[in-house]
Amino acid sequence: EPEVTQTPSHQVTQMGQEVILRCVPISNHLYFYWYRQILGQKVEFLVSFYNNEISEKSEIFDDQFSVERPDGSNFTLKIRSTKLEDSAMYFCATPQDLASYGYTFGSGTRLTVV
Amino acid sequence: GIQVEQSPPDLILQEGANSTLRCNFSDSVNNLQWFHQNPWGQLINLFYIPSGTKQNGRLSATTVATERYSLLYISSSQTTDSGVYFCAVESTNDYKLSFGAGTTVTVRA
Repeated sequence: EPEVTQTPSHQVTQMGQEVILRCVPISNHLYFYWYRQILGQKVEFLVSFYNNEISEKSEIFDDQFSVERPDGSNFTLKIRSTKLEDSAMYFCATPQDLASYGYTFGSGTRLTVV
Repeated sequence: GIQVEQSPPDLILQEGANSTLRCNFSDSVNNLQWFHQNPWGQLINLFYIPSGTKQNGRLSATTVATERYSLLYISSSQTTDSGVYFCAVESTNDYKLSFGAGTTVTVRA
């Protein structure tokens, strides 16, 4: 199964700071997703990104969040003015091979806001 | 959006026991996946199974799409099977996965 790489694996930031989470899929895919999992809760959809544009976003994905594809292969999730409740595991995902594997998830970034 | 319900919420097993986890969903689906979340938080893709039956070692899964449910079977459980098992579905009129709340499995030696 293809792999999706996320960096950093763990980030600690102070409340009010900005963080950038990065993701690199193995293949150059047009569709890209970010999900969030608050500790002990289920995985929630944040945003989908298709062909360099947001195609869908959840109500969680407000003006505090933004997504970019800065260089054609990397995808980033930026969180501005972080709050304590932004502490969560953030996953990126791509439909690398929908007919065989479905969606492939990255290893996640654990964000801790202090 | 589509609703995904998993049962039971928690499961405690003795090593070597067999178990069945269930996932019910509220609409027709293009995709159904079972994931295992390991102690490091990683989501490990176990099965892509929008319909039919698949087996991978001690794990197997069955999805009955017409009745809107899927089952994950764990046989001869081992302590390494511990963790949270998530069912996630993509409905026919959507392009994203919706997750259930998960089943937390604890296998005791």
